[in-house]
Parts: sequence; structure tokens; C-alpha cells
Amino acid sequence: EVQLVESGGGLVQPGGSLRLSCAASGFTFSYYSMNWVRQAPGKGLEWVSFITSGGSSIDYADSVKGRFTISRDNAKNSLYLQMNSLRDEDTAVYYCARVVYGGYAFDYWGQGTLVTVSS
Amino acid sequence: EIVLTQSPGTLSLSPGERATLSCRASQSVSSTYLAWYQQKPGQAPRLLMFGASSRATGIPDRFSGSGSGTDFTLTITRLEPEDFAVYYCQQFGSSPLWTFGQGTKVEIK
Repeated sequence: EVQLVESGGGLVQPGGSLRLSCAASGFTFSYYSMNWVRQAPGKGLEWVSFITSGGSSIDYADSVKGRFTISRDNAKNSLYLQMNSLRDEDTAVYYCARVVYGGYAFDYWGQGTLVTVSS
Repeated sequence: EIVLTQSPGTLSLSPGERATLSCRASQSVSSTYLAWYQQKPGQAPRLLMFGASSRATGIPDRFSGSGSGTDFTLTITRLEPEDFAVYYCQQFGSSPLWTFGQGTKVEIK
């Protein structure tokens, strides 16, 4: 069974940092591109960042570019999101999501981890 | 940036009725790159359709997708109680790589 489990969320002050993790199981993690997607309270979905299966290609939404860094460790079946210079508007549930093999949709999602940026 | 606009914002229907959800793109989108998701309160999104018209694994055949260019539709032929949720369309493009529509809430009338 495919499972994605996020962790690392919590309360952080504006300007602070946080590192999210996503532990993958039930599939060959190194074969799949991965993403982070967030959802502010009561709002819609926003794509945040993408990384290819081997980590050679990475992209970010303009809203987080220069502040967030995506990475992965295929030996540990894990995806990460380092978030620096956090702002109030980064408050959201953060989901990791797997890209369909050879496709463009997100076929599996974690349960999400809540990041709250507040003083 | 391609903007996806979903309509209506809220759809009030009864179980057994047909639901028709629209997703309109600001520029032409390849059908290959268009997907639909369902999200229930407190849950992660669930992939329903990819490639505009292909059902994801385990999705019942009362769900269907269609469309091309700038106009796409998700149809639920007979609403079941578990279908009341928020639905999002998504497209793959460039800068940003993926965008989502703002969502359509299907609520019980």
C-alpha cells in the first residue's frame, strides 16, 4: 500500500524556519517525481515545489522561490521542504504528493502537516 | 500563467441528481495535462480524473470527464451521499508548473 506521511509542522514566528519531511513507503520512491502542495485555512490548493525522481530538476512557485528548498533522499525514501524566512501567508496545511508515473497528475497524497506562522 | 476558473462556486443538489462542474482555462490546455480532484473536509485531495477523461484507479464510473482547449467538464451522473465534497481542476504547464482552480463545492440541497 502506498503511504506518504508528512511531519515537521508546527507553530513558528514570522522570519523563522521549519523543515518538513515526507516519509514514503509501499512503492519504489526513487522512480517517482514528487511535489509539495499547500492549502491555507479555508482556501484552495496551491502548488509549492517539484523535484524529479533523481533530484536533478527542481522548481518552485514564485511565492516561495528563494525562501523554500525542496530535496529528497532516495536511500531513506524521504522528501523534504526546508522553509526559511516564513511569513504569515505561509500558514497552511502542507501535503506531499506523488506524480503519476509518466504523467502529470498527483495520484497519492499524504495526510498533510499544519504549519502556522504567527507571533 | 494559465488561470483556471471553476464554476459554479457552489452546486446545491440532491442525491441521485446529476452534477456538472466546469473548469475554464485562460489559455488552451492540452487534455493530457488536465486533472480533477475531490476533497472532503479534513482529508487530503483524491485524484479522480487525469488526462481530462481517464478515471483514476478505483473511481466509480458515475464520474466522467470531458473537454478540450479551454473548456473542461467533470460530470457525476447520479450523486451518492459520499460525493458531496469540493472538487478542483488542475493543469500542468510552465511557470508555475501546476495550477489549480479555486474549487467547486457540491453540497446537499
